[in-house]
Amino acid sequence: DQQVKQNSPSLSVQEGRISILNCDYTNSMFDYFLWYKKYPAEGPTFLISISSIKDKNEDGRFTVFLNKSAKHLSLHIVPSQPGDSAVYFCAASVIYGGATNKLIFGTGTLLAVQP
Amino acid sequence: KAGVTQTPRYLIKTRGQQVTLSCSPISGHRSVSWYQQTPGQGLQFLFEYFSETQRNKGNFPGRFSGRQFSNSRSEMNVSTLELGDSALYLCASSDGRSGNTIYFGEGSWLTVV
Repeated sequence: DQQVKQNSPSLSVQEGRISILNCDYTNSMFDYFLWYKKYPAEGPTFLISISSIKDKNEDGRFTVFLNKSAKHLSLHIVPSQPGDSAVYFCAASVIYGGATNKLIFGTGTLLAVQP
Repeated sequence: KAGVTQTPRYLIKTRGQQVTLSCSPISGHRSVSWYQQTPGQGLQFLFEYFSETQRNKGNFPGRFSGRQFSNSRSEMNVSTLELGDSALYLCASSDGRSGNTIYFGEGSWLTVV
C-alpha cells in the first residue's frame, strides 16, 4: 500500500520556467511533509518542509503548498536552473502524539531542466 | 559542522555472509534512522534509534538489526545476506524532536553476489 504517491515519474522544464512537482498521500494522520532532492548513489538532500497547520512554506526559489482536504502537496521551483536536475522525493511523517522520525517516501520524480 | 558520515561507501558481499554498516550522526543529534533504497521498492524505513533505544521499526525481517552507542553513533547489521539485499543503505540523523529536519548521509552501497 503506497501511502505517498508521486504519479509523475519524470518532468522536463526549460531553464528559467517554473517546475511543479506533485505528491499525493492517503494517510490522513500525516502531519509533517518534506521534500528531498537526490542524485544517484548519494543521500537525499533536504530542501523544504511543511507542517499540516500551514498551507504554504517558502524558502528562496522553493515553495511547498499543502492542500489537506485533497491530501495533496506540491513543490514549486522558480526559476528552474539546470543544477536543479535530480530526482525529487516527497516524504511524510506522523509527528503528533509522540516523537518519531519515521519518514514514508514517495517514489520520486526525475526533474530535467533544459538549458 | 560535519554532516552524517557513513562507512563504508561501497562493499561487495557474498550470499549468506553478514555485513555491518556504520553511521556517525551530526554532532548533537541523538536520533539515527536507517533506510534502504532499491529500484523496485524505493526508499523504505528500516528502524530508528534514539538515546540507544529502538524507537520505531519498519517492516523488514529479523535479519536486519541495528544498535546505537552512547555517543549516538549507530550500526546496522544484515545477517545471512540475500541477493535482494543489494541496495543503497542510508543513515539519517536529527535532534530527535518530531518535526525537525532529518539529514541524510551519502549512503553505503551494498552489492550481494
